Amino acid sequence: SQQGEEDPQALSIQEGENATMNCSYKTSINNLQWYRQNSGRGLVHLILIRSNEREKHSGRLRVTLDTSKKSSSLLITASRAADTASYFCASGSTDSWGKLQFGAGTQVVVTP
Amino acid sequence: DTAVSQTPKYLVTQMGNDKSIKCEQNLGHDTMYWYKQDSKKFLKIMFSYNNKELIINETVPNRFSPKSPDKAHLNLHINSLELGDSAVYFCASSRSRTSQETQYFGPGTRLLVL
Repeated sequence: SQQGEEDPQALSIQEGENATMNCSYKTSINNLQWYRQNSGRGLVHLILIRSNEREKHSGRLRVTLDTSKKSSSLLITASRAADTASYFCASGSTDSWGKLQFGAGTQVVVTP
Repeated sequence: DTAVSQTPKYLVTQMGNDKSIKCEQNLGHDTMYWYKQDSKKFLKIMFSYNNKELIINETVPNRFSPKSPDKAHLNLHINSLELGDSAVYFCASSRSRTSQETQYFGPGTRLLVL
């Protein structure tokens, strides 16, 4: 069964705007990761947030985690055309080894 | 200096055929994975090996058989291909088997079964 679900499924914004996407998961986790996938390419790791963390920053990325609501959000500030990609959250559960459960992703299109 | 490489990049074949996809990582990682991404972009883990030992085996038809000759290689053999096997298959690796590790993905193999 699908563990993570991203919302929205698709997002279209203009350069310079912020993009926010959300992720929900079902079981207990020890970390949540966000990955980016450019069209026709493999996934690239963006950021990892541990279950005892509430917020994390990396460059123009800000990730929050609310374990009580089993949800996370990814904010991309001052978006650029190069940010056009699909973004996936992946939850790492406490009872599995190396297993990340991915959602179906949010497709982000940033227009110049 | 590609970190995780897969061959072939594209694979078009007829139903019923047997095919293999190869994966190699030069990162010195202990753990490797196979994922299947369907047409709706949903990514699902199929198998994982840690130091040549199978550690994750999801509910995958036994027509799919992974093989890890050494910890830098993880191949996927598929017997009697079916239309529903059409997807993009990604290989990935991580430093160790814990879920807190970053996974590094290959470029994918686009399989089309006719």
